[in-house]
Amino acid sequence: EVQLVQSGAEVRKPGESLRISCKGSGYAFTSYWISWVRQKPGKGLEWMGRIDPSDSYTKNSPSFQGHVTISADKSISTAYLQWSSLKASDTAMYYCAVDTSMAQRDWGQGTLVTVSS
Amino acid sequence: QSALTQPPSASGSPGQSVTISCTGTSSDVGGYNYVSWHQQHPGKAPKLMIYEVSKRPSGVPDRFSGSKSGNTASLTVSGLQAEDEADYYCSSYAGSNTLVFGGGTKLTVL
Repeated sequence: EVQLVQSGAEVRKPGESLRISCKGSGYAFTSYWISWVRQKPGKGLEWMGRIDPSDSYTKNSPSFQGHVTISADKSISTAYLQWSSLKASDTAMYYCAVDTSMAQRDWGQGTLVTVSS
Repeated sequence: QSALTQPPSASGSPGQSVTISCTGTSSDVGGYNYVSWHQQHPGKAPKLMIYEVSKRPSGVPDRFSGSKSGNTASLTVSGLQAEDEADYYCSSYAGSNTLVFGGGTKLTVL
């Protein structure tokens, strides 16, 4: 069974840094890309970017380019989403998902990030 | 890269059929057969319902079907059931290893 387990909820202040994680199991981690998706409170899904865990090649949405960093450590089957300087507008639920045929086949449970002074 | 266009809401009575549209451009929906649909219940993670325009993952009821014509993709839910009430999002490959989602449609079962 494919499982993506994400790290727990986080509360940070504006300007702080943060890294959240997504650990895959039950499948060959390096065989499928992983996407990150943002969902602001009461809003829709936004594709942020994706990574090929086999070589850590990443592709970001233009909307998120330069603001977040996507990475992966294939030795521990884990993908990451990182911010160097959070903004209040980054408050959202963040999901990771395994990509198959350009579709998000299996999803993590989500990580709620709250940025507030 | 703009979001795909979906109607904000759709509704139908139990047993009826409802179709949700997803309009993009020739650079995304119209250019590739990589349209997918996701169902999201409140407080839950999304669930893949359709991929590659019309394919259903294992376990998804055949009441859910997908199609595409030109720059517009559609999701049809037949034989509506109460548990189908949820938000539905389309997504499409947009070239250069990028993806784009639609704004979402809230499906209400009357």
